[in-house]
Amino acid sequence: EIVLTQSPATLSLSPGERATLSCRASQSVSSYLAWYQQKPGQAPRLLIYDASNRATGIPARFSGSGSGTDFTLTISSLEPEDFAVYYCQQRSNWPEILFTFGPGTKVDIK
Amino acid sequence: QVQLVQSGAEVKKPGSSVKVSCKASGGTFSSYTISWVRQAPGQGLEWMGRIIPILGIANYAQKFQGRVTITADKSTSTAYMELSSLRSEDTAVYYCARDRSPGDSTGFDIWGQGTMVTVSS
Repeated sequence: EIVLTQSPATLSLSPGERATLSCRASQSVSSYLAWYQQKPGQAPRLLIYDASNRATGIPARFSGSGSGTDFTLTISSLEPEDFAVYYCQQRSNWPEILFTFGPGTKVDIK
Repeated sequence: QVQLVQSGAEVKKPGSSVKVSCKASGGTFSSYTISWVRQAPGQGLEWMGRIIPILGIANYAQKFQGRVTITADKSTSTAYMELSSLRSEDTAVYYCARDRSPGDSTGFDIWGQGTMVTVSS
């Protein structure tokens, strides 16, 4: 099973600052990586699919990069509504399609 | 616009089973896969398994093999997740979620509202 590691566990920043979140896979996942945002009491929201593609309706301040084992989610300038928990998720195709999530990074207000 | 609407909260005894439903409305159901993801209180997301409704084929995370069954009824555009031999550690919010593409891609773009399952004696 592919294991995802996210760092840091918590990121304390102020509105307007840049956030850089990391996700590392225990083996290559090619570009089969997605990022989600989750706020308390809500279902997760898809931000980025296939490593670098913004999902429908996601603001341009969110961007994803990486391939293989190392991935990054960048929020260029934090808005008040961006303080939340962020999860990465990978898809593996062999021997069957399986998914795993990372443990999450909490972005909180400094 | 497709929405996924889940059944209501459940309280179960240890050792029993729970079956949660997820009904798709407002769009195509069968072309996309539906996954089930759970989240224990204060914890992260955990993928349990998925189904391709048009084929009726499901596969599961190893952790849940033998204890979870995911099915789908195309006629009502409803997916189901049944978890058996419940224990306290199964207390969680259970979500259904749709793959954004039926093809070679990753990302769940539509989520149900979640169903709280509490396991308690």
